[in-house]
Amino acid sequence: EAQVTQNPRYLITVTGKKLTVTCSQNMNHEYMSWYRQDPGLGLRQIYYSMNVEVTDKGDVPEGYKVSRKEKRNFPLILESPSPNQTSLYFCATMPLILALQGSYNEQFFGPGTRLTVL
Amino acid sequence: DAKTTQPPSMDCAEGRAANLPCNHSTISGNEYVYWYRQIHSQGPQYIIHGLKNNETNEMASLIITEDRKSSTLILPHATLRDTAVYYCIVGVTGGGNKLTFGTGTQLKVEL
Repeated sequence: EAQVTQNPRYLITVTGKKLTVTCSQNMNHEYMSWYRQDPGLGLRQIYYSMNVEVTDKGDVPEGYKVSRKEKRNFPLILESPSPNQTSLYFCATMPLILALQGSYNEQFFGPGTRLTVL
Repeated sequence: DAKTTQPPSMDCAEGRAANLPCNHSTISGNEYVYWYRQIHSQGPQYIIHGLKNNETNEMASLIITEDRKSSTLILPHATLRDTAVYYCIVGVTGGGNKLTFGTGTQLKVEL
């Protein structure tokens, strides 16, 4: 079964305590990305990756890091979380060929991670 | 990137057709229109997409105007489980590096 998994699903933490949200997919997709979703702002892209060792900034990258050492994993790292990073986070994947075409009909989203930073 | 405009909310009676409009007046000639929906904080789910012609699948129909400046997603027989936020998105061509979701339309299907 095609799956995108995120861990943890829920996390409450404190300001400044480094955390990592993992994303893993079993569809052999090259393209992966992270979004955050906030009330009234819709989904905003944080970072994306076209393939292993290739990452780039999305619309709201400040305060986040990512890495892509393996094709299946794309962790999101918050080195020093702040309360304004309290949000609902989604990981998404798709085949690279479709991403390059701008064809987003096969983008799979993970179940989401609800993060609260106190 | 072409931006989209959608009404913030709509109501629909169960069993009736839900027609969700979207304006994308700055769409480029080779950009597709995509529709996703999100049910209560779950990950967004792809519904349908199109370029010029009307499209239909098992979930919905997509009607795109001839000038491509607007489109309508039609759920022919809405059910309570169709209550969700519906996003209209225009795909970026070339780099495919950014997919921008707006605020969408909150569809509420009621008895």
